[in-house]
Amino acid sequence: EVQLVESGGGLVQPGGSLRLSCAASGFTFSSYWMSWVRQAPGKGLEWVANIKQDGSEKYYVDSVKGRFTISRDNAKNSLYLQMNSLRAEDTAVYYCARDSSSWYYWGQGTLVTVSS
Amino acid sequence: QSALTQPASVSGSPGQSITISCTGTSSDVGSYNLVSWYQQHPGKAPKLMIYEGSKRPSGVSNRFSGSKSGNTASLTISGLQAEDEADYYCCSYAGSAHVVFGGGTKLTVL
Repeated sequence: EVQLVESGGGLVQPGGSLRLSCAASGFTFSSYWMSWVRQAPGKGLEWVANIKQDGSEKYYVDSVKGRFTISRDNAKNSLYLQMNSLRAEDTAVYYCARDSSSWYYWGQGTLVTVSS
Repeated sequence: QSALTQPASVSGSPGQSITISCTGTSSDVGSYNLVSWYQQHPGKAPKLMIYEGSKRPSGVSNRFSGSKSGNTASLTISGLQAEDEADYYCCSYAGSAHVVFGGGTKLTVL
């Protein structure tokens, strides 16, 4: 059974940093693109970033470029999102999802709140 | 990377059919047959209902169908049921591994 479990969310002050993790199981992690998708409270879905199987290609939505870094550790079956210079508008539930689009498998999400 | 355009809300009675539109541009919806649709109930993760424009994942009811014409994709739900009440999001590949979502449509089953 495919499972994606996010962790690392919480309350952080504006300008602060946070690192999200996504533990994957039930499939060959190293064979799939992985993505982060977020949803601000009461708002719609927004693709944030994705990463190729070997980590050699990474892509970001313009609003997080230069502040967020997606990475993966295939030996640990884990996906990460390093978030720096956080802003109030980054407040959202962050989901990890398998594949670069047409996401069938999603995690349960982890809430990031940016507030003073 | 502008969001795709969806109606904010649609409604229908049980048994009826409804269609949700999703309008993009020639850089996303119009260029690729890679539109997907997601259903999301409150407090839950999204669920993939349609991918590659018109394909249904295993387990998704055949009451859900997708199509595309030009820069506009559509999701049709036939034989509306109470459990179909949810938010629906379209999503399109936009080139260079980028993906763009629609703003979402709230479906109300009357």
